[in-house]
Amino acid sequence: QQQVKQSPQSLIVQKGGISIINCAYENTAFDYFPWYQQFPGKGPALLIAIRPDVSEKKEGRFTISFNKSAKQFSLHIMDSQPGDSATYFCAASMGEGSSNTGKLIFGQGTTLQVKP
Amino acid sequence: NAGVTQTPKFRVLKTGQSMTLLCAQDMNHEYMYWYRQDPGMGLRLIHYSVGEGTTAKGEVPDGYNVSRLKKQNFLLGLESAAPSQTSVYFCASSYWGLPYFGPGTRLLVL
Repeated sequence: QQQVKQSPQSLIVQKGGISIINCAYENTAFDYFPWYQQFPGKGPALLIAIRPDVSEKKEGRFTISFNKSAKQFSLHIMDSQPGDSATYFCAASMGEGSSNTGKLIFGQGTTLQVKP
Repeated sequence: NAGVTQTPKFRVLKTGQSMTLLCAQDMNHEYMYWYRQDPGMGLRLIHYSVGEGTTAKGEVPDGYNVSRLKKQNFLLGLESAAPSQTSVYFCASSYWGLPYFGPGTRLLVL
């Protein structure tokens, strides 16, 4: 079964707009939620990550919003640029600090296209 | 620092053939992983290792074997390739928590 569900599958946004990607999880033991960005022909690269004791984390134009009670989290890309066009994956893992073995459960991915 | 490197970049196999994918990391990471990426399914963990000489099964281990004889290397083997193993394979490594991914190996099984 898919433990992390991601939507939408694809997204088209105009330059300067806000891109929003949503994820929902089932396992309440998950306690680390990273987002990865992947360009065609490349491996996924870590974008930003959050723990459930924080409701929001912002890094530049990228913000994660986290709703622990709803078991949902989302990625917002403000002022979206054509260079942001990529596939985005949410993920979840368990364990704190050195006990986190980095075994990630990934969402299905969202292909973002930002039109100039 | 090369980070995580994978060999080969692309390979075509016939059903029933065997091959080994090589992953190397120069970050002195304890943990290493093999994932496969298929359209619409995200990335799924095949096997992982929490240290030299150790391996463990992930979500989709069937048809694959792995070995971690040296800390910096993690090998993924396909003993008898099947068309269902056509995929892009990513190796990753981490100190903890947040894996760094290699560039991937595209495998086509005919």
